[in-house]
Amino acid sequence: DTGVSQDPRHKITKRGQNVTFRCDPISEHNRLYWYRQTLGQGPEFLTYFQNEAQLEKSRLLSDRFSAERPKGSFSTLEIQRTEQGDSAMYLCASSSGVEQYFGPGTRLTVT
Amino acid sequence: SQQGEEDPQALSIQEGENATMNCSYKTSINNLQWYRQNSGRGLVHLILIRSNEREKHSGRLRVTLDTSKKSSSLLITASRAADTASYFCATEDSGSRLTFGEGTQLTVNP
Repeated sequence: DTGVSQDPRHKITKRGQNVTFRCDPISEHNRLYWYRQTLGQGPEFLTYFQNEAQLEKSRLLSDRFSAERPKGSFSTLEIQRTEQGDSAMYLCASSSGVEQYFGPGTRLTVT
Repeated sequence: SQQGEEDPQALSIQEGENATMNCSYKTSINNLQWYRQNSGRGLVHLILIRSNEREKHSGRLRVTLDTSKKSSSLLITASRAADTASYFCATEDSGSRLTFGEGTQLTVNP
């Protein structure tokens, strides 16, 4: 399967713990995006990379969130000191043009 | 807040009928895209219409765009049970990010 992959698919953590998610984009795609989706809502943009440069961040991305794409390939999204409000599906997408291809997402539950 | 707003929020039809979903947005856009999301699966891109286009077809899908009214519609003809999913419109402005609406939940009954 050469699509976008995300790991883990599910994560349950206790409030206050740190979590890290990984996204592997389609190999030739230079753009990588992170979105967050809560139940019954559409995805909301978090941040976007072109190669290894983080070009845009949403105001939704508080100081507790950090994303990296160190070699312009895979990306990680870390949430520090998780809160119950962080519970959501975290989606990664990649693109080489206009169309974005989404991964299956990581579902985070903060207890 | 969401840029796009889909209407209706939920739609239930019989197999073989047509389904129409509408989307409104607020700001200037480069293009508008429609995505489908099945339960437990990721988002799948369906069709893209650029701001200078008025109508586009892809298989059983027909999309229209009215930039003067800042609205779009997605028509699925001859619906199938497998079309049951949530459908989202997403707009792209000059910044490359997609701004999604809240979606329409379509149920196609066999």
